[in-house]
Amino acid sequence: EAAVTQSPRNKVAVTGGKVTLSCNQTNNHNNMYWYRQDTGHGLRLIHYSYGAGSTEKGDIPDGYKASRPSQENFSLILELATPSQTSVYFCASGSTGGINTLYFGAGTRLSVL
Amino acid sequence: QQKVQQSPESLTVSEGAMASLNCTFSDGTSNNFRWYRQHSAKGLEVLVSIFSDGEKEEGRFTAHLNRANLHVSLHIREPQPSDSAVYLCAVLSSGSWQLIFGSGTQLTVMP
Repeated sequence: EAAVTQSPRNKVAVTGGKVTLSCNQTNNHNNMYWYRQDTGHGLRLIHYSYGAGSTEKGDIPDGYKASRPSQENFSLILELATPSQTSVYFCASGSTGGINTLYFGAGTRLSVL
Repeated sequence: QQKVQQSPESLTVSEGAMASLNCTFSDGTSNNFRWYRQHSAKGLEVLVSIFSDGEKEEGRFTAHLNRANLHVSLHIREPQPSDSAVYLCAVLSSGSWQLIFGSGTQLTVMP
């Protein structure tokens, strides 16, 4: 069964601190995505990747970096966390060929104080 | 840039009554639409994927797509209290692999 695992599940960070959210998928999917979810905005795309070594900017990339060191792992990095980045973050993976279906992780709740 | 909007923001129905959720999008060239469900702050569960105009049924969930009207809907037959959740419409942006989401509809099913 397709699996996407996010860690940590909950994180409290201080303003100005560095935060790294990790995502691991066992689906052997080429594409991976990071979204954030806020009330009234639904899910918004931050960064995505087409494969190991690639990162692309989504709709709201400012303040975030991404890293795809391998097929399985995709990280979201907040170098200088701000309270406006308090949100729930979702990672997803998907295939490139044929019908694309995204598989989502369970989410990471981040609070920046 | 594809824009996706959902209505209503919230919907309350009685158990057993049909629930209908709406989604409009701005780019009619897309051909890949999904409806997801999210319970509380858990992960997303895909309910129905639809790729051509018409109807697609998955159990109690039926999606209707009309690209000429830039509209896709979700109908839930015989909803149960356990169906209470946020429902998200998503459209795969043409020419890329970006999935654009609406802001969601909070569905509450009363026993």
